[in-house]
Amino acid sequence: SQQGEEDPQALSIQEGENATMNCSYKTSINNLQWYRQNSGRGLVHLILIRSNEREKHSGRLRVTLDTSKKSSSLLITASRAADTASYFCAPVTGNQFYFGTGTSLTVIP
Amino acid sequence: DGGITQSPKYLFRKEGQNVTLSCEQNLNHDAMYWYRQDPGQGLRLIYYSQIVNDFQKGDIAEGYSVSREKKESFPLTVTSAQKNPTAFYLCASSHTASLTGTYGYTFGSGTRLTVV
Repeated sequence: SQQGEEDPQALSIQEGENATMNCSYKTSINNLQWYRQNSGRGLVHLILIRSNEREKHSGRLRVTLDTSKKSSSLLITASRAADTASYFCAPVTGNQFYFGTGTSLTVIP
Repeated sequence: DGGITQSPKYLFRKEGQNVTLSCEQNLNHDAMYWYRQDPGQGLRLIYYSQIVNDFQKGDIAEGYSVSREKKESFPLTVTSAQKNPTAFYLCASSHTASLTGTYGYTFGSGTRLTVV
């Protein structure tokens, strides 16, 4: 299946630092999406990057996509304690996509 | 406000019982999905429905059943045949299956099911 694999599995940083999470996938994609999940809650759609885009910004989020390496990264700048959550990538091929195990981000105040 | 509502938030099931998890959306989305999430693991697709009165099995459909009699509703029944049902269940919806890749999913807040 076209499952995204996030790396690292867990990340702990100080408030104000930047957080970078990576995602790798196996086959060609139409686009790639990033989601966030607070503990015990549903997932929230953060950002979508299309296969013909290389970089996209949304507020403090910056997503890059390298289709030649089949990888994407999510950068959260100037992190806040409220950014503490799990982050999932979802490479999209066709009508469905599969979530990986996510990166658990802890931002220490 | 438009959204997707799951109920109950917590559910306890005795051995051998069937239980039904509710999922309702008022987003006018055509497609709806059920995922299961276990601790430290990703989401696994149980069932999905692209239109009313039609649904397909996902990766782990055994021991589960669904119905899609209305566009707004996609209940999931966890049957006694599901041997390890304790998990966090997430319902999601999207505009249409063909546009899911464009707009993404909207998720509910989840139901935590525990077998007692």
